[in-house]
Amino acid sequence: AQSVTQLGSHVSVSEGALVLLRCNYSSSVPPYLFWYVQYPNQGLQLLLKYTSAATLVKGINGFEAEFKKSETSFHLTKPSAHMSDAAEYFCAVSDTRGFKTIFGAGTRLFVKA
Amino acid sequence: DVKVTQSSRYLVKRTGEKVFLECVQDMDHENMFWYRQDPGLGLRLIYFSYDVKMKEKGDIPEGYSVSREKKERFSLILESASTNQTSMYLCASTDRGPVETQYFGPGTRLLVL
Repeated sequence: AQSVTQLGSHVSVSEGALVLLRCNYSSSVPPYLFWYVQYPNQGLQLLLKYTSAATLVKGINGFEAEFKKSETSFHLTKPSAHMSDAAEYFCAVSDTRGFKTIFGAGTRLFVKA
Repeated sequence: DVKVTQSSRYLVKRTGEKVFLECVQDMDHENMFWYRQDPGLGLRLIYFSYDVKMKEKGDIPEGYSVSREKKERFSLILESASTNQTSMYLCASTDRGPVETQYFGPGTRLLVL
């Protein structure tokens, strides 16, 4: 069975600081991995996805994530936080059939001025 | 621009009422999903459909049913609403590709009194 663990339900950073949101997954088959972002009162939208090509994946708004098989991790980073990055972020894993996606519990990012 | 719409943003119902939540996508996607989102639990899959008139149970189907009579429309039905069904409900759709990005609607926040 697949599962996703996001470490830290809340993360607070200062504007301009590094953003690091942690995600570990469990999967018995090669996974597809996703990061989604949810802004207040909106649905989720895709930030980036890993599909077994390059292990470093670049997404929208300056975010990137690195797939590390040995650590079963897919952490999300951004070099410099902006106030507009304040949102909830979800890591997700999908099986090769792609019908079901398992979502983590989410990490709410706060950005301080 | 891809679009998933949900019939209501906010809904207030009484215990025991039958509740219909509707979702429409304009992308000709094969697969559609209903999730509920609760704080600290992330998104949990209620039902999904991979074709017209086809449906499969997700992880928490109890107390819910679905209907997909047309490709673009996927309805979630609460047969007899209960207070523990107060939640945010999110609809999503995907292509039938091997790696599927989910496109989400804005969500319906349901309060059952």
